[in-house]
Amino acid sequence: VQLVESGGGLVQSGGSLTLSCGVSGFRIGDHYVDWVRQAPGEGLEWVGRVGVTGKNYITEYGASVRGRFTISRDVSRNSVYLQMTSLKTGDTAVYFCVREVFGIGVTYDSWGQGAPVTVSS
Amino acid sequence: DIVLTQSPDSLTVSLGERATVNCRSSQSLLYSINNKNCLNWYQQRPGLPPKLLISWASTRESGVPDRFSGSESGTDFTLTISSMEAEDVAVYYCQQCLGTPITFGQGTRLEIK
Repeated sequence: VQLVESGGGLVQSGGSLTLSCGVSGFRIGDHYVDWVRQAPGEGLEWVGRVGVTGKNYITEYGASVRGRFTISRDVSRNSVYLQMTSLKTGDTAVYFCVREVFGIGVTYDSWGQGAPVTVSS
Repeated sequence: DIVLTQSPDSLTVSLGERATVNCRSSQSLLYSINNKNCLNWYQQRPGLPPKLLISWASTRESGVPDRFSGSESGTDFTLTISSMEAEDVAVYYCQQCLGTPITFGQGTRLEIK
């Protein structure tokens, strides 16, 4: 199982950036995939998730990014995306793409190495 | 939102000594489907992503040394390292897996004395 983030970099406040998460070793259609971020020297913050429950395509977001960030996926490419708009300096962080264990509860058993995003003022 | 409060914020332990990290939840984490507490523990070594150590409060993941254990009492959870080793230097996080928004404790930094 491997998750590889790409697309990180430096962006000005108010700008946009899209992160990609390329997955191998499992099918994203079988798991929820989340984004978790970590500001410099700080703890872990849940950003959001994408997956399917029953026949319903589900996306959910944390309060601090809701309305500005969009998570999507491309099953044919086995990739997940995090589109970030109206970026703020407070969004500066390393963004991890993580796999949820299949089943009940939200447990992360595989993490990418992270993509650094810096938002300058 | 479920708030998880870890204590202490940092901990210094001698090699071979026991280390204990606590995590208190603002509400019950009992999952009705299996009657287990939905609380996970992660280890984050410097410069690396977090690694899952323990799930469902006390189930050690495959490959995790048996010096790591998890316990629970109501809404209080504990991660114990029975005998500190140099490779255990890391930040430890608890995480509630009951539902969204997913929340983490603020982290406990463990260092060697």
